[in-house]
Amino acid sequence: DQQVKQNSPSLSVQEGRISILNCDYTNSMFDYFLWYKKYPAEGPTFLISISSIKDKNEDGRFTVFLNKSAKHLSLHIVPSQPGDSAVYFCAASETNAGKSTFGDGTTLTVKP
Amino acid sequence: ETGVTQSPTHLIKTRGQQVTLRCSSQSGHNTVSWYQQALGQGPQFIFQYYREEENGRGNFPPRFSGLQFPNYSSELNVNALELDDSALYLCASRLGGRDGNSPLHFGNGTRLTVT
Repeated sequence: DQQVKQNSPSLSVQEGRISILNCDYTNSMFDYFLWYKKYPAEGPTFLISISSIKDKNEDGRFTVFLNKSAKHLSLHIVPSQPGDSAVYFCAASETNAGKSTFGDGTTLTVKP
Repeated sequence: ETGVTQSPTHLIKTRGQQVTLRCSSQSGHNTVSWYQQALGQGPQFIFQYYREEENGRGNFPPRFSGLQFPNYSSELNVNALELDDSALYLCASRLGGRDGNSPLHFGNGTRLTVT
């Protein structure tokens, strides 16, 4: 069973508008959540994270929201730029478990 | 600051053969992990090494094995290759031991094709 799910394989938005990427998880032991961005022919790069003791974390144009009761997190990008076009992976981990569990990714396309 | 580097970038092997993939961790990082990414899927955790010992393993058979060296570089070995082993293999390093609460720094991966 897939413990981290990104139900939208792709998302297309206009430059300057908001991009919202969603992620759901099933394991209640997860206490740390991360978003990674991946360009073609490169490895994933860390974007932003949030601990389960928070419900929001902001870094410039990127904000991650966590709803623990719904086991749902989202990444908001405002304003979206063409350079944001990439595959975005949601990941979750448990303290002292070491491994990160990834979703299958959402391909974001930002149109000029 | 040197990032995570992996070699080779691409590799083609025949079913039944053995393969070794190599990784140099980011400077200062003492924990390295390996992930397998099949086409259209997210990275799947294979195992993690901290101070030269395996301290976490995903759902992969024993023919997937690894090593971490004193300089924190690492190898992933796969024996008896199967067609389903064809994937992108990603190495990632970070600070800390078993603690999962620090971001992973990934290399660009090795694309393995098994024919």
